[in-house]
Amino acid sequence: DQQVKQNSPSLSVQEGRISILNCDYTNSMFDYFLWYKKYPAEGPTFLISISSIKDKNEDGRFTVFLNKSAKHLSLHIVPSQPGDSAVYFCAASSENTDKLIFGTGTRLQVFP
Amino acid sequence: DAGVIQSPRHEVTEMGQEVTLRCKPISGHNSLFWYRQTMMRGLELLIYFNNNVPIDDSGMPEDRFSAKMPNASFSTLKIQPSEPRDSAVYFCASSLGTGPSLYGYTFGSGTRLTVV
Repeated sequence: DQQVKQNSPSLSVQEGRISILNCDYTNSMFDYFLWYKKYPAEGPTFLISISSIKDKNEDGRFTVFLNKSAKHLSLHIVPSQPGDSAVYFCAASSENTDKLIFGTGTRLQVFP
Repeated sequence: DAGVIQSPRHEVTEMGQEVTLRCKPISGHNSLFWYRQTMMRGLELLIYFNNNVPIDDSGMPEDRFSAKMPNASFSTLKIQPSEPRDSAVYFCASSLGTGPSLYGYTFGSGTRLTVV
């Protein structure tokens, strides 16, 4: 049973435009939500996160939005750059555990 | 710090052979995680350790898989016997282990396993 779902396996966006990556979860006990970025032949690297007490967190070009009632979060990248082309994973954890549950990933391609 | 170090980077083995993947976590990190990446399931947690003790191994697919952490600086994931469906990228990650964090884990570069 996939507790964290990324229903779009891929996304293609033109450079300079906004990229929106989506993630849905089923477990209402999740308190922390993270986004990781992964380049080929490398491990995932932490990008941005949000706790359940907030509905928005911003870091430069990256903003994560959380809608707890819909059990949905999204990552916005504005403006998108070719270097943003990677696989993006969302992940979630709950208060009482160290473990992160990851989604299946979305491959973002930013073209010139 | 050199980060999380995994070896080997690539492993090609024949079906039925034993495979051992190795991981050195970041010094001072108390939690260690083994994940497997596949197209269908994304990043699956196989097992995690805290202070060298296995805490949750519910993601280990079957008895052919085993993991050990004999000390704070080394862990192994063993598959015996290996099967073609085990082909995937295996990641090791570590964290401070002080509870859920908004900064997550640090991952290694992974081991790409191919079983032929």
